[in-house]
Amino acid sequence: QVQLQQSGPGLVKPSQTLSLTCAISGDSVSSSGAAWNWIRQSPWRGLEWLGRTYYRPGWSYDYAVSVKSRISINADTSKNQFSLHLNFVTPEDTAVYYCVRATAAGLLDYWGQGALVTVSS
Amino acid sequence: DIQMTQSPSSVSASVGDRVAITCRASQGIRTWLAWYQQKPGRAPKLLIYDASTLQSGVPSRFSGSGSGTDFTLTISSLQPEDFATYYCLQADSFPLTFGGGTKVEI
Repeated sequence: QVQLQQSGPGLVKPSQTLSLTCAISGDSVSSSGAAWNWIRQSPWRGLEWLGRTYYRPGWSYDYAVSVKSRISINADTSKNQFSLHLNFVTPEDTAVYYCVRATAAGLLDYWGQGALVTVSS
Repeated sequence: DIQMTQSPSSVSASVGDRVAITCRASQGIRTWLAWYQQKPGRAPKLLIYDASTLQSGVPSRFSGSGSGTDFTLTISSLQPEDFATYYCLQADSFPLTFGGGTKVEI
């Protein structure tokens, strides 16, 4: 059974960097049969896919155009986890953030518990 | 980006009712569509993928149909635990995009 455990601060100041980590159990971050995604949910934007990383071999990344200039997703194979970094945040980045596993076919099957991140001074 | 339009945005129903939710894609997505159920404070839960394949453990009262641009999620006999918000997701191309959600209320 795959489990994703999220961690990170719940409050970030405007213009700073939002950072969240997702620890994986029951699968490997370097699995050739999976991709590791970040998705957020807010009342004003609904469910929004932000980006993903995967190993095929070699690491690849895909990011949503809306955040491409501000986002990075990194994998840490030694800790079997991946992380989200979103720079220069504004109050519009306030949302519940989810880490999500996708199968090789693109199916989003396992979700983390979600983390509310508020951007406020 | 592919736009996903769900309707209705909300539906009032009773236990035992048949409920149908539709999702329309702005361009053809073959059968690369999934349906999720979300309850307050919880992450979305996968119900159906490939437009009509039931995820393991999901009750058979849930079914999905469609291909191309038009898709339907049907709950054949609504149960108390089915009151939730439902979302469609297209996985045909990136960026992945979701519908706006349908809230099923008592």
